[in-house]
Amino acid sequence: EDQVTQSPEALRLQEGESSSLNCSYTVSGLRGLFWYRQDPGKGPEFLFTLYSAGEEKEKERLKATLTKKESFLHITAPKPEDSATYLCAVQAGSNYQLIWGAGTKLIIKP
Amino acid sequence: NAGVMQNPRHLVRRRGQEARLRCSPMKGHSHVYWYRQLPEEGLKFMVYLQKENIIDESGMPKERFSAEFPKEGPSILRIQQVVRGDSAAYFCASSQSSGGTEAFFGQGTRLTVV
Repeated sequence: EDQVTQSPEALRLQEGESSSLNCSYTVSGLRGLFWYRQDPGKGPEFLFTLYSAGEEKEKERLKATLTKKESFLHITAPKPEDSATYLCAVQAGSNYQLIWGAGTKLIIKP
Repeated sequence: NAGVMQNPRHLVRRRGQEARLRCSPMKGHSHVYWYRQLPEEGLKFMVYLQKENIIDESGMPKERFSAEFPKEGPSILRIQQVVRGDSAAYFCASSQSSGGTEAFFGQGTRLTVV
């Protein structure tokens, strides 16, 4: 069964303290791995798509990487406005739907 | 270029009533997806539609739930005879194609069944 697991469930950091969020997946025939950010009471906001192992993408303080089993979202010198829930999802095989992890709630303290 | 528009943002229904949730995709997008999110849980796929066609409804309960995406107008997710367990946030997303491209989400409709 296709599955996506995110860890940790929650992460509290001081402003400026870099860290990484993990998304591990077990799927047949990965077509794409997606990272989204979700603020309370809002819809997910698209961040990155990764298609193949070894691929990396960056946006401001965020960098996403992909291996054959997992993806990391690295956050460098985070600021309080980076506080949100970060969601990972995969599309695999012939399925159209995205399979989602439960998310990592990131809290950055000033 | 407006994003994905969902309305209403909040909807309260009594048990047994019908709920209609609307979603207008981004301009140029012909693929629409509906998801349900319970508090502290991940998004769960419900249904995938293209104009006038249901492509995949494997995540949608067989009874009481239906979805459409007519040639003209928004996509509609309809829940008949709502029960308390239907209370959740319902999100709509749209994309230009189905194959590994990013989907853009609306702000969601929060349904509360009392």
